[in-house]
Amino acid sequence: DAKTTQPNSMESNEEEPVHLPCNHSTISGTDYIHWYRQLPSQGPEYVIHGLTSNVNNRMASLAIAEDRKSSTLILHRATLRDAAVYYCSRLNAGGTSYGKLTFGQGTILTVHP
Amino acid sequence: GAGVSQTPSNKVTEKGKYVELRCDPISGHTALYWYRQSLGQGPEFLIYFQGTGAADDSGLPNDRFFAVRPEGSVSTLKIQRTERGDSAVYLCASSPVGASRQFFGPGTRLTVL
Repeated sequence: DAKTTQPNSMESNEEEPVHLPCNHSTISGTDYIHWYRQLPSQGPEYVIHGLTSNVNNRMASLAIAEDRKSSTLILHRATLRDAAVYYCSRLNAGGTSYGKLTFGQGTILTVHP
Repeated sequence: GAGVSQTPSNKVTEKGKYVELRCDPISGHTALYWYRQSLGQGPEFLIYFQGTGAADDSGLPNDRFFAVRPEGSVSTLKIQRTERGDSAVYLCASSPVGASRQFFGPGTRLTVL
């Protein structure tokens, strides 16, 4: 099963941009890239997703490499509330595992005031 | 509106016992997913329902695990003859259709003594 790999942890200062990388070198052509984040004792929360083009929403931006082997989640101005575990995942949009999310190990983001 | 709810929030049981974990998805969501999350790990896929039927149960670890969704709404994950290795947080998610963003519940923390 193809996996995603992420750094174990990253740190940022409040009000600064944060770039969270993810490697998914074996991603298939029908897999979407999804990002979720998780606070302690809560379920994951959807952040953003994309297939080939860069995506923006009110929470973040997602930059996808042209070869789709990596992507970067961008938080433009980190706040203390952005401190969480960020998961890069693949969503299977074809075949028998349609709809299945495969999560990476996650990056623990610490935001300093 | 109401999100995905899961009951109980915590379940402590003894090795060998039977447990049932319940998930109430968001009303109208046809797709329902179960994941399992061990400490320090990302969620791992267990099973996916589209309506009443299990579209993909490839993530169930063995035949002690079973899940149902008889009316296409509420789902129950059933674990027979629990083992200490079954201890984890069991997460449920739903989505309006398959292969779209998923809405997660808070999870049920299962502890097998």
